[in-house]
Amino acid sequence: DQQVKQNSPSLSVQEGRISILNCDYTNSMFDYFLWYKKYPAEGPTFLISISSIKDKNEDGRFTVFLNKSAKHLSLHIVPSQPGDSAVYFCAVRTGKLIFGQGTTLQVKP
Amino acid sequence: DGGITQSPKYLFRKEGQNVTLSCEQNLNHDAMYWYRQDPGQGLRLIYYSQIVNDFQKGDIAEGYSVSREKKESFPLTVTSAQKNPTAFYLCASRGSGGYNSPLHFGNGTRLTVT
Repeated sequence: DQQVKQNSPSLSVQEGRISILNCDYTNSMFDYFLWYKKYPAEGPTFLISISSIKDKNEDGRFTVFLNKSAKHLSLHIVPSQPGDSAVYFCAVRTGKLIFGQGTTLQVKP
Repeated sequence: DGGITQSPKYLFRKEGQNVTLSCEQNLNHDAMYWYRQDPGQGLRLIYYSQIVNDFQKGDIAEGYSVSREKKESFPLTVTSAQKNPTAFYLCASRGSGGYNSPLHFGNGTRLTVT
C-alpha cells in the first residue's frame, strides 16, 4: 500500500522550459516533505524540503509547492538544464522517510 | 572531507552465500540507515540505527541483519534467507540537526546474486 506515489515514471522536457514533477500522499498527518535527486550509480542527494505550515518553498531554480487539501506536492524546475536529468524522489517524514517510486527526468538540449 | 563510503561498488555472489556490505561515515552522525532500491519501487527501508549498539527493523528486514558496534560503521549482511537479494543498496546517515534534517547517502553497492 503505497503511502507516497509518483505516478509519472518519466518526464521529458526541452532545455530552458519548466519541469514539473508531481507527488501524491495518502495521510493528511504527514507534515514534512522532501525532494531528492539521484544520478545513476550514485546515492540520492537532498534537493529541497517543505514543512506543512508552508505552501511554497523556493531555492534558486527549484520550487516546491504543497497543496494540503489535495495531499499533493510538486517540484518545479525552471529553467530546466541538461544537468538536471536524473531520477527525482519525493519523500515524507513520519519518524522515518517514506519515498515515492521516483520520476526519471530527461532534459533535452 | 566528510561523507559516507560504501564498498564495494559492485558485488557478485552465488545463491546461498551470505554477503556483507560495508558502510562507513565520518560525519559524526548518530543515525544510520540501509535502503534498497529496485526499479519502479523507490527506496525501501531495511534497517536503521539511531545510536550505537541499537537498531530497528525497517519495512523489509526479512533476510537481512545488521550490527552497530561503532558510531562510524553500520554493515549490512544479506543472508541466504533473502529471496530476492539482487538490488542496489544504499546506506545513509542523519545528523543531529533536528528531526527534519535530511539524510546523506553513500553512492551505493550493486549486489548481483546468481
